[in-house]
Amino acid sequence: KAGVTQTPRYLIKTRGQQVTLSCSPISGHRSVSWYQQTPGQGLQFLFEYFSETQRNKGNFPGRFSGRQFSNSRSEMNVSTLELGDSALYLCASSFAPDQPQHFGDGTRLSIL
Amino acid sequence: DAKTTQPTSMDCAEGRAANLPCNHSTISGNEYVYWYRQIHSQGPQYIIHGLKNNETNEMASLIITEDRKSSTLILPHATLRDTAVYYCMASGNTPLVFGKGTRLSVIA
Repeated sequence: KAGVTQTPRYLIKTRGQQVTLSCSPISGHRSVSWYQQTPGQGLQFLFEYFSETQRNKGNFPGRFSGRQFSNSRSEMNVSTLELGDSALYLCASSFAPDQPQHFGDGTRLSIL
Repeated sequence: DAKTTQPTSMDCAEGRAANLPCNHSTISGNEYVYWYRQIHSQGPQYIIHGLKNNETNEMASLIITEDRKSSTLILPHATLRDTAVYYCMASGNTPLVFGKGTRLSVIA
């Protein structure tokens, strides 16, 4: 069974640009969550989607947004990139919000 | 979500059992105890979770105290590939809150 797939694996952008990251959940999983991991702040929750609806949102500025499609695939977008947005962005999926989450290996975003 | 406390680091000899403790004294009745680990450059890997009873799967065992204020993750025969950061979390129907975890080093 394929795991959570995140694309691209690596991305380099410059300040002020925007970026879209993609996540394909495990087949049958309808809940998708996004996390940001940095050396200083560790793993922080960004948002959670279930059946195309955002259920929870972490404490991040409005430049961070996401969505989920009818096939459960999800995207997150970051606009007006800042140097501090350099991080590993992780996607996790589960059958439902109260079930164990399974993570992808992330997209490493570097801002120059 | 309940706050958890874990030791910063631990060492374990290869082939021995690794016992990783976690305190979650403010856990709510509907919150599960979850354990994940993260090996360098990879996403966190789900290990095991439990509510009240002890749990075992192919990776590990989870021992939860009767008052649910603490738990222990047991890797029965640690290998070098078990070297990772181990995270303990308490979560109900809410997002996972990762702390700093325990850095387990398995030594040959």
